[in-house]
Amino acid sequence: GAGVSQSPSNKVTEKGKDVELRCDPISGHTALYWYRQSLGQGLEFLIYFQGNSAPDKSGLPSDRFSAERTGGSVSTLTIQRTQQEDSAVYLCASSFNPTGNVGYTFGSGTRLTVV
Amino acid sequence: AQKVTQAQTEISVVEKEDVTLDCVYETRDTTYYLFWYKQPPSGELVFLIRRNSFDEQNEISGRYSWNFQKSTSSFNFTITASQVVDSAVYFCALSEWSNSGYALNFGKGTSLLVTP
Repeated sequence: GAGVSQSPSNKVTEKGKDVELRCDPISGHTALYWYRQSLGQGLEFLIYFQGNSAPDKSGLPSDRFSAERTGGSVSTLTIQRTQQEDSAVYLCASSFNPTGNVGYTFGSGTRLTVV
Repeated sequence: AQKVTQAQTEISVVEKEDVTLDCVYETRDTTYYLFWYKQPPSGELVFLIRRNSFDEQNEISGRYSWNFQKSTSSFNFTITASQVVDSAVYFCALSEWSNSGYALNFGKGTSLLVTP
């Protein structure tokens, strides 16, 4: 596609429910990043994929968070047993290659509200 | 430890004033990249500039200019003759290689308000 697509754009869920957030990167972009933007924490890095592989998952806030990427394309970020502190905007970015000398394109984000 | 510090939380200026947004970073790498992003009220992150650690040339793009100084680990952003449309949150970010690829370390952001 022309840009990074994220769905849903907005999600309201009840505390304790599981949610799945989707990121569809720009075609051909091998590197994919998830970030979270919340009022208290600013923009924080969650996880990076190179192809389908995530070398380091330590940025995920807790074991309730998991992410996968299949076919080197679409990625899903799953939050199990959501808590109110999970409320944030979840942003996805993709890049043509893992090196930092090319730009990242960000999606519009998924605004998650846990009630 | 905070790798990118944007000391100015909020700045308010009147239209046509010049304004400089400060960014100080911390890294031990010799190869790294610095970025500025704009986040208008719509929420989308808009890329403004990328600078690699080997290129200390300052850059000007229209009303925007950037001053990269490795000696002070700073990458400041100046808007000349500010306009209301410049009102947004501006983020400075550092990218260096790790197990997280070239993940961006963002500063806390500076909220700029330009009033008519």
